[in-house]
Amino acid sequence: QLHLVESGGGVVQPGRSLRLSCAASGFTFSDYAMHWVRQAPGKGLEWVAAIWFDGRNEYYADSVKGRFTISRDNSKNTLYLQMNSLTGEDTAVYYCARGSQVSRWFDPWGQGTLVTVSS
Amino acid sequence: QSVLTQPPSVSGAPGQRVTISCSGSSSNIGAGNDVHWYQQLPGTAPKLLMYGNKYRPSGVPDRFSGSKSGTSASLAITGLQAEDEADYYCQSFDSSLNTYVFGSGTKVTVL
Repeated sequence: QLHLVESGGGVVQPGRSLRLSCAASGFTFSDYAMHWVRQAPGKGLEWVAAIWFDGRNEYYADSVKGRFTISRDNSKNTLYLQMNSLTGEDTAVYYCARGSQVSRWFDPWGQGTLVTVSS
Repeated sequence: QSVLTQPPSVSGAPGQRVTISCSGSSSNIGAGNDVHWYQQLPGTAPKLLMYGNKYRPSGVPDRFSGSKSGTSASLAITGLQAEDEADYYCQSFDSSLNTYVFGSGTKVTVL
């Protein structure tokens, strides 16, 4: 059974940092690209970052480039998102999702973790 | 501002057919990139509903169907049921922006 569980969300002050984690199970983690997608309160979905199966390639949305870093530890079946210089616009539920090996879809998704940037 | 455009809402009575459009451009849907659809029930994470324009993952009822033509795609729900009340998002890849893009989302209401 495929399972993704995010953790690490919470309330953080503007300008500070936070690291999210996503624990994967039920599939060979090291075979798949992984993604972070976020959803601001009451808003739509926004792709944030991707990392290739072997961790050698990373891609970011312009809105987070230079501030966020995606990484993975295949020995621990865990995906990470290091978020620095946070602003109110980063307030959102952050989902991790597995990438497809065939095309560019996301499945499955984790339950999400809420990040609130507020003073 | 989403790269892919969807109607904010659609509604229908139980048993009716509704369609959700997803309009893109020559750099995403029109560039030959596949369109995928997600269903987000209230208070839950998105779930893959349709992939590769028209294919349903295991467990998705055949009441859901997808299609793509030119720079647009659509999702149809036939025999609308109360449990279909949710937000629906289309998603593709933009070859010019080199990013994954989502539609603005459509809320389906069952009257």
